[in-house]
Amino acid sequence: GNSVTQMEGPVTLSEEAFLTINCTYTATGYPSLFWYVQYPGEGLQLLLKATKADDKGSNKGFEATYRKETTSFHLEKGSVQVSDSAVYFCALKDGGTSYGKLTFGQGTILTVHP
Amino acid sequence: EADIYQTPRYLVIGTGKKITLECSQTMGHDKMYWYQQDPGMELHLIHYSYGVNSTEKGDLSSESTVSRIRTEHFPLTLESARPSHTSQYLCASSEGQGVIQYFGAGTRLSVL
Repeated sequence: GNSVTQMEGPVTLSEEAFLTINCTYTATGYPSLFWYVQYPGEGLQLLLKATKADDKGSNKGFEATYRKETTSFHLEKGSVQVSDSAVYFCALKDGGTSYGKLTFGQGTILTVHP
Repeated sequence: EADIYQTPRYLVIGTGKKITLECSQTMGHDKMYWYQQDPGMELHLIHYSYGVNSTEKGDLSSESTVSRIRTEHFPLTLESARPSHTSQYLCASSEGQGVIQYFGAGTRLSVL
């Protein structure tokens, strides 16, 4: 079956530091890949996505590249802010699934200090 | 901005009570989902629906039940709540092939 593995957290950084959160996946076919973010007390919201190999998703300074050869979709940001403190989820949607089911990683808690 | 609403946001109840968690969306999405989020933050799909009168069980077995009588409404019911049901419950919806899911803010349930 499908699975998503994220680097274990929590991750604690100082403001303006470089961020990488690793994500690898196992899936059949050609999945779509996503990063969702959950701010304290809120639901998840889509941060970025990529639907085919070598696509780069980007939003709010965050980037992730769909690497089929390494089955990875690592999240990066060059300079984090305190407001980026949240839980980050990597997810995939199987290309053969019609009802939109997502498989989520276990989530990575990010805390950014001033 | 997503228009999907969950009520109540917080609920504390005693063991054995029947509860219903409400979820409504105004986007006309055909697909809706319920996730259970444990304290470690991991998400587990417990129910989903393709559309009106369609409900399916998700990956994680749950004692809860759902119904989909109207497109916009997808309530989750626990007939007899137990402490093991204490968790956060997130509702989501999507349209078409469901590439993007939109989430509500969640209901945090505590069963004493």
